Amino acid sequence: GEDVEQSLFLSVREGDSSVINCTYTDSSSTYLYWYKQEPGAGLQLLTYIFSNMDMKQDQRLTVLLNKKDKHLSLRIADTQTGDSAIYFCAERTNAGKSTFGDGTTLTVKP
Amino acid sequence: DTGVSQDPRHKITKRGQNVTFRCDPISEHNRLYWYRQTLGQGPEFLTYFQNEAQLEKSRLLSDRFSAERPKGSFSTLEIQRTEQGDSAMYLCASSRTAYEQYFGPGTRLTVT
Repeated sequence: GEDVEQSLFLSVREGDSSVINCTYTDSSSTYLYWYKQEPGAGLQLLTYIFSNMDMKQDQRLTVLLNKKDKHLSLRIADTQTGDSAIYFCAERTNAGKSTFGDGTTLTVKP
Repeated sequence: DTGVSQDPRHKITKRGQNVTFRCDPISEHNRLYWYRQTLGQGPEFLTYFQNEAQLEKSRLLSDRFSAERPKGSFSTLEIQRTEQGDSAMYLCASSRTAYEQYFGPGTRLTVT
């Protein structure tokens, strides 16, 4: 079945770049996502990438997809303290179910 | 656009009681999803509606769980005979396209 794995924690200094990694198992994944969840708040869709792309850039966010290795990464440039949150990777093969990882807690130190 | 709204935001119930949660999607979003999230984990898919049709249902959704979307607008999720293991955050999401999902704030259920 589908499985999505992420490392649990990442700590960076303010102003540095953050890279959050994710691996998935379902080779038929059509869409891959990054969500952000702040304490006490809902899930916010940050960005998504279609499986026929290998990179997508949106302001400070860069998503890289290596479909051969089933590896997805999210790079946050110039990380700020406001970026501290849990980041979830998710994949979807059709219009219904999305499978999420267990989240990476990003801590940004001043 | 107002976002996805969920009601109630918190529910405390005794084991064995029935509970019902409501989700109001973003206007004109014909797709609606329910997920469950426990502490330290990512959301787990429960079910998916396109308009009023329930098109996909997880095996996690036991016979005690039922979801409806009678007019293709709001949806309800009912849990019968609640158990302590049902304690979780229940998340609703909606979308107009196949590739986006916009999540509501969730309903936190505590079963005592």
